[in-house]
Amino acid sequence: QVQLQESGPGLVKPSQTLSLTCTVSGGSISNSNFYWSWIRQHPGKGLEWIGYIYYSGSTYYNPSLKSRLTISLDTSKNQFSLKLTSVTAADTAVYYCARSNYYDSILLDYWGQGSLVTVSS
Amino acid sequence: QSVLTQPPSASGTPGQRVTISCSGSSSNVGINPVNWYQQLPGTAPKLLIYSNSQRPSGVPDRFSGSKSGTSASLAISGLQSEDEAEYYCASWDDTLKGLFGGGTKLTVL
Repeated sequence: QVQLQESGPGLVKPSQTLSLTCTVSGGSISNSNFYWSWIRQHPGKGLEWIGYIYYSGSTYYNPSLKSRLTISLDTSKNQFSLKLTSVTAADTAVYYCARSNYYDSILLDYWGQGSLVTVSS
Repeated sequence: QSVLTQPPSASGTPGQRVTISCSGSSSNVGINPVNWYQQLPGTAPKLLIYSNSQRPSGVPDRFSGSKSGTSASLAISGLQSEDEAEYYCASWDDTLKGLFGGGTKLTVL
């Protein structure tokens, strides 16, 4: 059974960088059948697709976040990570990592439990 | 305001059948598959329907999906109290990003 777990600081100051890591167990992030995705949910709001990474290192980002976003992976640790620079209060959200299908990258079949990140001084 | 439009709320009594709509356009729902997610309060979303009408293993056959043109629907028959949740549709958009609907809060009366 594939499991994903987000980790990282729960509080980030404005203008700083938000960093989260997703640890995958029960499956390899080097599996060519899947992408590894990030999604966020602002408090009391709907879901927003952030982007994904493939085992080869190729990435695809939401155009609205692209200038501030980096998704990377560490195959030796079976982890992938998100970095979002120059954060503001508008980046306060629950951040989810998830596994997505190679043929439909918004088909997210396994999710982490979510990590609340608050941007505040 | 989401590009995929869902009604903000829906309701039904136990045993009833309810449907939730998802309206998109020719750049997303019209040409790409639709997936549905169920989010119970305080939990991560769960894949409910994929590729318009397919159920993952373990999802009861009370849940069904369909798509026609630029719209999709999720139907829940034999409504149960545990179905009370937020439901989201999702589809890839050819402006090159993933899209979620705004979500529909289902209340079981």
